[in-house]
Amino acid sequence: NAGVTQTPKFRILKIGQSMTLQCTQDMNHNYMYWYRQDPGMGLKLIYYSVGAGITDKGEVPNGYNVSRSTTEDFPLRLELAAPSQTSVYFCASNSIDRANVLTFGAGSRLTVL
Amino acid sequence: KNQVEQSPQSLIILEGKNCTLQCNYTVSPFSNLRWYKQDTGRGPVSLTIMTFSENTKSNGRYTATLDADTKQSSLHITASQLSDSASYICVVSEEGNNRLAFGKGNQVVVIP
Repeated sequence: NAGVTQTPKFRILKIGQSMTLQCTQDMNHNYMYWYRQDPGMGLKLIYYSVGAGITDKGEVPNGYNVSRSTTEDFPLRLELAAPSQTSVYFCASNSIDRANVLTFGAGSRLTVL
Repeated sequence: KNQVEQSPQSLIILEGKNCTLQCNYTVSPFSNLRWYKQDTGRGPVSLTIMTFSENTKSNGRYTATLDADTKQSSLHITASQLSDSASYICVVSEEGNNRLAFGKGNQVVVIP
């Protein structure tokens, strides 16, 4: 049982490049989330999903896209990377019956230059 | 305005000493409050959860308290160890939906 797995752990992008942050969980959780964490700031919700085929915007969705084709996977796409997207990204998941118990991935540190 | 405010923002304590972290929230209606520990370079890990009817809950050397009337929670660390160096995040859940409000965290550094 690996929990929530994120890849890559680190990435440097040039402005305008695109990339996908991968997230997979093996706990059969319905809910999955993408957060970004900037220095000295709380976690900000980018997108979330309540099940396969269903996604919705969080607080800071601009510049990102997601998809949820399976229960296990919830990739986050950056189409045109901007310096403002330099951050640490965390994927998390939980189940319906334990809504506040989030299991987080180890994070993906992204730098846009 | 952030719905969850934590204080102090950061603190340094000597190994073996105790410390208390504060969390004030305005989330309403309140469902529950959870403290997470985030080690440097890692994702947050749940320490404890407090529901409306609970006043105190312990997890080893960590003790959380909740005053739902004043909308305040605290996390007390007893006999601190070097491994307690981390950010402690207060997360409050809103009743009736899956919405979570995150504090910015209390950064704790334990020195020998």
